[in-house]
Amino acid sequence: DADVTQTPRNRITKTGKRIMLECSQTKGHDRMYWYRQDPGLGLRLIYYSFDVKDINKGEISDGYSVSRQAQAKFSLSLESAIPNQTALYFCATSDHSTTRYNEQFFGPGTRLTVL
Amino acid sequence: QKEVEQNSGPLSVPEGAIASLNCTYSDRVSQSFFWYRQYSGKSPELIMSIYSNGDKEDGRFTAQLNKASQYVSLLIRDSQPSDSATYLCAVNGIQGAQKLVFGQGTRLTINP
Repeated sequence: DADVTQTPRNRITKTGKRIMLECSQTKGHDRMYWYRQDPGLGLRLIYYSFDVKDINKGEISDGYSVSRQAQAKFSLSLESAIPNQTALYFCATSDHSTTRYNEQFFGPGTRLTVL
Repeated sequence: QKEVEQNSGPLSVPEGAIASLNCTYSDRVSQSFFWYRQYSGKSPELIMSIYSNGDKEDGRFTAQLNKASQYVSLLIRDSQPSDSATYLCAVNGIQGAQKLVFGQGTRLTINP
């Protein structure tokens, strides 16, 4: 089955450490997204990429960076992790070529804890 | 005003009844609308998409869109305990941007 995968699924790290979250997809979609979810704050967009050469900031990009290594791979980095980056992180994909106006499909998520 | 608003709940519905979830959005020119279901600790799962005014039915789910009033709703008929989850409303095209804006979600509990 075409799918969206994320690694790692769980990560505990310390303040100041650099950490990378990875997302891969076999859906053949061109658009990829990174979100974080916090209790009471819903899903918030961190970065998004409409193709390999297109990277855009979302509403909460400070403290994060991304790399689109290939159409199927989109990674999120925390250069120097801080405790308020503790959250559930989701990758999502969509296909602009359909008429379905940005239906997005989510990976299983990474639970990140920064101590 | 938030761009996408939902009642956070919790909404409690007896098994077999109709659950009604509502969502309002701020931008009249928004293009497409989605309902996601999210079980605790899991990822959002797309359950309904709607693009035109009116009703769209898929099994026990019906999405309703009223662009003039800027609201979208989800009805779940014959509610089952397995429908207990948080339901997220998402809107695409707010202020012309091709990205989804999510509501905070409504937590639904179906009581046996």
